[in-house]
Amino acid sequence: SAVISQKPSRDICQRGTSLTIQCQVDSQVTMMFWYRQQPGQSLTLIATANQGSEATYESGFVIDKFPISRPNLTFSTLTVSNMSPEDSSIYLCSVAQIEAFFGQGTRLTVV
Amino acid sequence: AQSVTQLDSQVPVFEEAPVELRCNYSSSVSVYLFWYVQYPNQGLQLLLKYLSGSTLVESINGFEAEFNKSQTSFHLRKPSVHISDTAEYFCAVSGRSSASKIIFGSGTRLSIRP
Repeated sequence: SAVISQKPSRDICQRGTSLTIQCQVDSQVTMMFWYRQQPGQSLTLIATANQGSEATYESGFVIDKFPISRPNLTFSTLTVSNMSPEDSSIYLCSVAQIEAFFGQGTRLTVV
Repeated sequence: AQSVTQLDSQVPVFEEAPVELRCNYSSSVSVYLFWYVQYPNQGLQLLLKYLSGSTLVESINGFEAEFNKSQTSFHLRKPSVHISDTAEYFCAVSGRSSASKIIFGSGTRLSIRP
């Protein structure tokens, strides 16, 4: 198993600003995943973060809007840039060792 | 690529009644299958998983799921539900390579009536 610490746990942000979410894992992992869970909906994969290379983005998500860093094998950040109310969501960091383990998520509200 | 379809967005049942939450998947390769549960205002937890071997897998709280390759299904069942089972249930699939990502279904909200 893996223990994932994610922060902040929640934030309320003004539109047009950016928020960086941090994710720390208690063990070294090759890939880390970032998901979004909009209110009342399922999880949508944003991107896969690999250490030492560019993140791989899913259809509908772009690096300019969701830049990701992966400086080492235990840490990653996701930035939500130039936020609008439509970005209000829960953002989840995850690692997979066959099954996925999740952080507690960041509940973002954009006003 | 893989995909998951959960046929029911909401399933209301009475307490102590049986329940089945349906899940079908699509994949061109062999897969791993999962059910996750999300209790109100909490994070996702793994409920059970199918990796290989016996097609019937069980959780510690009485749920079970059966992998049916011919029907590409992984339905979740419980013979008698409790109020505490009220939650959102997500079916998920991944390929078997180390580079595979996990894809989630749209979720089924299970509501238990007393």
